[in-house]
Amino acid sequence: KQEVTQIPAALSVPEGENLVLNCSFTDSAIYNLQWFRQDPGKGLTSLLLIQSSQREQTSGRLNASLDKSSGRSTLYIAASQPGDSATYLCAVDNTDKLIFGTGTRLQVFP
Amino acid sequence: DAGVIQSPRHEVTEMGQEVTLRCKPISGHNSLFWYRQTMMRGLELLIYFNNNVPIDDSGMPEDRFSAKMPNASFSTLKIQPSEPRDSAVYFCASSLVGQGEAFFGQGTRLTVV
Repeated sequence: KQEVTQIPAALSVPEGENLVLNCSFTDSAIYNLQWFRQDPGKGLTSLLLIQSSQREQTSGRLNASLDKSSGRSTLYIAASQPGDSATYLCAVDNTDKLIFGTGTRLQVFP
Repeated sequence: DAGVIQSPRHEVTEMGQEVTLRCKPISGHNSLFWYRQTMMRGLELLIYFNNNVPIDDSGMPEDRFSAKMPNASFSTLKIQPSEPRDSAVYFCASSLVGQGEAFFGQGTRLTVV
């Protein structure tokens, strides 16, 4: 059974810092991995999708990497801003369904 | 496209009542997922459909829960009878099989009193 873990559970940093959020999964036979952002009381917004054949994806200040063999992904946020404050969730797809981690709650203060 | 559309956005009902949540997936998507989110358990997959057919309903907590997808553009999640422990945010998501990227609706916040 696929299990997804995210570390840390919460993170509070000053504006401008570069951040790394971690995601690990137990079954490496995945189709893809997706990072989402969730603002309080809102739905999930897709940030990046990494296919199993890819090693990383970039979008603006966000970079996500994938190491299938070790069951890990990282989300790197460069030059963090207060608007980045949200919960970040990773999800793995290994049987056409997404299994989510518990998320990292990020707060960036001015 | 307007994205995944869920209704209602909020629902407050009394224990024992029937609740029906609705979802319209993104046009052209052929996978549809129902998730439940609570503080205690995070996001849990309840059921998913491929091409309108239920593939895995192992996440449906009890027989009180049922889901249907009568056509490619509509799905319902029904709880009958509802209980206070069903209070949660219910999300619907859709994707294209094989392409992987899932898109979520804004969710339905259900409160059972």
